[in-house]
Amino acid sequence: DAGVIQSPRHEVTEMGQEVTLRCKPISGHNSLFWYRQTMMRGLELLIYFNNNVPIDDSGMPEDRFSAKMPNASFSTLKIQPSEPRDSAVYFCASSLEGGFYGYTFGSGTRLTVV
Amino acid sequence: DAKTTQPNSMESNEEEPVHLPCNHSTISGTDYIHWYRQLPSQGPEYVIHGLTSNVNNRMASLAIAEDRKSSTLILHRATLRDAAVYYCILSRYNQGGKLIFGQGTELSVKP
Repeated sequence: DAGVIQSPRHEVTEMGQEVTLRCKPISGHNSLFWYRQTMMRGLELLIYFNNNVPIDDSGMPEDRFSAKMPNASFSTLKIQPSEPRDSAVYFCASSLEGGFYGYTFGSGTRLTVV
Repeated sequence: DAKTTQPNSMESNEEEPVHLPCNHSTISGTDYIHWYRQLPSQGPEYVIHGLTSNVNNRMASLAIAEDRKSSTLILHRATLRDAAVYYCILSRYNQGGKLIFGQGTELSVKP
């Protein structure tokens, strides 16, 4: 199993541009989570899905952020327009049964907005 | 969400056991205790989890106090590769198992 796959690994973009981060969960996992990590705020849960349905998006910082999961094997996190304060490492994780059997995290996308 | 308290940092010597403490005095009956670790420049990695009884796996052991208000992650023989930030997290069953990370304990291992 290739694990949770995130792309791109690194993204540098200019302020105001649209950014799309991608995640492919482990096959058979039915829960997917998006996290953001910064030095100041640590790891923050942004949103999570069960069976492709968004369950809790209370961590999404503002309307500029949106996430979709069109099918069981793909999810996107979009930022439009991006701002320098969005610079962070974004992690995607997947699990069975809502996480009680362990989450598997991807390697993350390091986003830099200049 | 119930909170956990961990020391900011700990040091260990290679090949010695390490006991990482976690306090969770407001834990409820349906809260599971999870431990994850994050190696430098990597995503978090599942270590172990439990509810009431002590748990063992190939990576570590989890000792849970009888009143469940504290727990200890035990690495039986620390290696340099175990240097990481260790997170103790409570997850409530009826909240879908979402994990809210705190600041964790940064473990350094000396050769």
